[in-house]
Amino acid sequence: EPEVTQTPSHQVTQMGQEVILRCVPISNHLYFYWYRQILGQKVEFLVSFYNNEISEKSEIFDDQFSVERPDGSNFTLKIRSTKLEDSAMYFCASSVDSHSNQPQHFGDGTRLSIL
Amino acid sequence: AQTVTQSQPEMSVQEAETVTLSCTYDTSESDYYLFWYKQPPSRQMILVIRQEAYKQQNATENRFSVNFQKAAKSFSLKISDSQLGDAAMYFCAYTDYGGSQGNLIFGKGTKLSVKP
Repeated sequence: EPEVTQTPSHQVTQMGQEVILRCVPISNHLYFYWYRQILGQKVEFLVSFYNNEISEKSEIFDDQFSVERPDGSNFTLKIRSTKLEDSAMYFCASSVDSHSNQPQHFGDGTRLSIL
Repeated sequence: AQTVTQSQPEMSVQEAETVTLSCTYDTSESDYYLFWYKQPPSRQMILVIRQEAYKQQNATENRFSVNFQKAAKSFSLKISDSQLGDAAMYFCAYTDYGGSQGNLIFGKGTKLSVKP
């Protein structure tokens, strides 16, 4: 069964540095999402992406975050200047379309640790 | 704003027994979808079961079933004949086309342990 893949599985970065988290969605999926989960807290929506542009973003997704789909297969989340509070699990998800009856498929996540 | 609440941080069940995980939600929307996702130690979140709010019949997937009480805004997951492989974090999630605009809103999760 096709899977969403995320790399790296664990990223350790110094505060203030830029980090790029990578995701390869399922090939026929058109909608892409990033979520994050701070340790011990809820999984929170960050951003959704369709047709090469952001569809929706949460309050968390401020100017230090950006997403892009550079080559038609990868879907990346960039954090420009990381802060300690950015430490979390980041999950990528994709779906065939945005209808709520089409489930989102999740990757394994990237654990981001900011030192 | 929509919210999802899972009041049980941890649950434990004996192998082959039945366990029910609780979830409540708050929304002003009338059309929405509810999901249970499972996250085993391997970390990938897997869809277990989903329920459309307009359907009165409770969804069932093999050993997994839900008790959907729309008026009470309750969506519990029942796992029958529990197996060791059911041990995982279970997340309840909500989405609609109004407030959440198709994006998933999750509860904090319930960690399920299965004892042999």
